[in-house]
Amino acid sequence: AQKITQTQPGMFVQEKEAVTLDCTYDTSDPSYGLFWYKQPSSGEMIFLIYQGSYDQQNATEGRYSLNFQKARKSANLVISASQLGDSAMYFCAMKANTGFQKLVFGTGTRLLVSP
Amino acid sequence: NAGVTQTPKFQVLKTGQSMTLQCAQDMNHEYMSWYRQDPGMGLRLIHYSVGAGITDQGEVPNGYNVSRSTTEDFPLRLLSAAPSQTSVYFCASKMTGTNTGELFFGEGSRLTVL
Repeated sequence: AQKITQTQPGMFVQEKEAVTLDCTYDTSDPSYGLFWYKQPSSGEMIFLIYQGSYDQQNATEGRYSLNFQKARKSANLVISASQLGDSAMYFCAMKANTGFQKLVFGTGTRLLVSP
Repeated sequence: NAGVTQTPKFQVLKTGQSMTLQCAQDMNHEYMSWYRQDPGMGLRLIHYSVGAGITDQGEVPNGYNVSRSTTEDFPLRLLSAAPSQTSVYFCASKMTGTNTGELFFGEGSRLTVL
C-alpha cells in the first residue's frame, strides 16, 4: 500500500525567502511518481511539479524544485523567493506506475507568506 | 477549455436523502476519480475508474456508489446521506499509460448533510 506523510500542518516564511515543505512516502512498488499540488483559498487544485522514481535529476519548475532522496523516501518541495501569492495549502501525492495508478495524497501543509 | 466539470457546486441535504454528484471531462481521459477533502485529513480517494465499465474502491468507499458507462462521465451517488458525508468533493481525471500522469481537478462540490 502507498502512504504519504506530511508532518508540518503549518509553515511560515517571509516574503523573498526560501521554504521547504516536507513529504515522506512509503511504497513497495519499484516504479512510482511523486507530485505536489497547491490549493489556494479559492479551492482549486493546481499541479506544481512531478518527480519520477527513476529520474536521475531533481525536478524543477520555475521557483519550485523537488528535493528527491530515494533512499530516505522523501520528496520535499522547495519554494525559492517566496511570494505572497504562495500562501496556500500544499499537498504531496504519489502513484505507483503499475496497476491502476491511483493517486494517494498526504494531509497537506498550510504555508503562510508574510510581507 | 472545459476540462473537468462538476455539478452542483453547492448542495445541502437532509439525513437519509439521496443525490448524485456529476462529473464530466472532455479530455478523453481514461482514469477518473472522486476524492473527499476534510480538514486535517487531506484528500482521500473514494472511488476510481480506469475506463468505461471498470471501477474500483479507494480508501473511503462506504456510503458511495459509482458507475462509468462512458469515458466522459463518472457520477458519484450518495444513496442515503449521513452527516459524516459533509465534505468537499473533488472529481479528477488523467491519462493512463504515461508516467507523469498529472491529475486534472474539477472545482469541487461542497456538500452539507444536516
